[in-house]
Amino acid sequence: GQQVMQIPQYQHVQEGEDFTTYCNSSTTLSNIQWYKQRPGGHPVFLIQLVKSGEVKKQKRLTFQFGEAKKNSSLHITATQTTDVGTYFCAEPSNTGNQFYFGTGTSLTVIP
Amino acid sequence: DTGVSQDPRHKITKRGQNVTFRCDPISEHNRLYWYRQTLGQGPEFLTYFQNEAQLEKSRLLSDRFSAERPKGSFSTLEIQRTEQGDSAMYLCASSRRGLAEASEQFFGPGTRLTVL
Repeated sequence: GQQVMQIPQYQHVQEGEDFTTYCNSSTTLSNIQWYKQRPGGHPVFLIQLVKSGEVKKQKRLTFQFGEAKKNSSLHITATQTTDVGTYFCAEPSNTGNQFYFGTGTSLTVIP
Repeated sequence: DTGVSQDPRHKITKRGQNVTFRCDPISEHNRLYWYRQTLGQGPEFLTYFQNEAQLEKSRLLSDRFSAERPKGSFSTLEIQRTEQGDSAMYLCASSRRGLAEASEQFFGPGTRLTVL
């Protein structure tokens, strides 16, 4: 099946530092989604990327889809304590009926 | 609250017992997913419904697991003869088929199952 590699597994940053998590797939993707899960919470949708090389921004968050549509990244500028949580990428199967989630990157922000 | 709801939120059961969980998706959403999540891992796909039809089921899913969505609205997930390895958070998500191949999934709060 599809392998969703996400790195790093954990990241501790001082408040105000930047943070990046990477997602790599073994297959070419039709699209990729990103989710955030706060401690004790459930995943919340952040964004979906569809086009090759696409870059989307949401305030301090920048999402990128690779040119080959096999990798993606999420970059947070000047982290805040509200950014704490685990960030997951999710890839659809060939049928689009299944979603494979990465293992996630757990972000800790030290005030 | 018009989000996805799940019931119960917590379930403690003894090994060998059957359990059933319910998910009420957002009303206009025709797609419904069940996932399982263990500590430190991402959600693991279990099964997918489009309206009342179960279109996909994980190959990893044991025959002890069954899911239904009888009228294309709420769904139930049943686990028969529970084992300690079934202990996990069971998440339900719904989405509405959009113009793109996939659209955002809205997750419920989950049912935490503990098998003693």
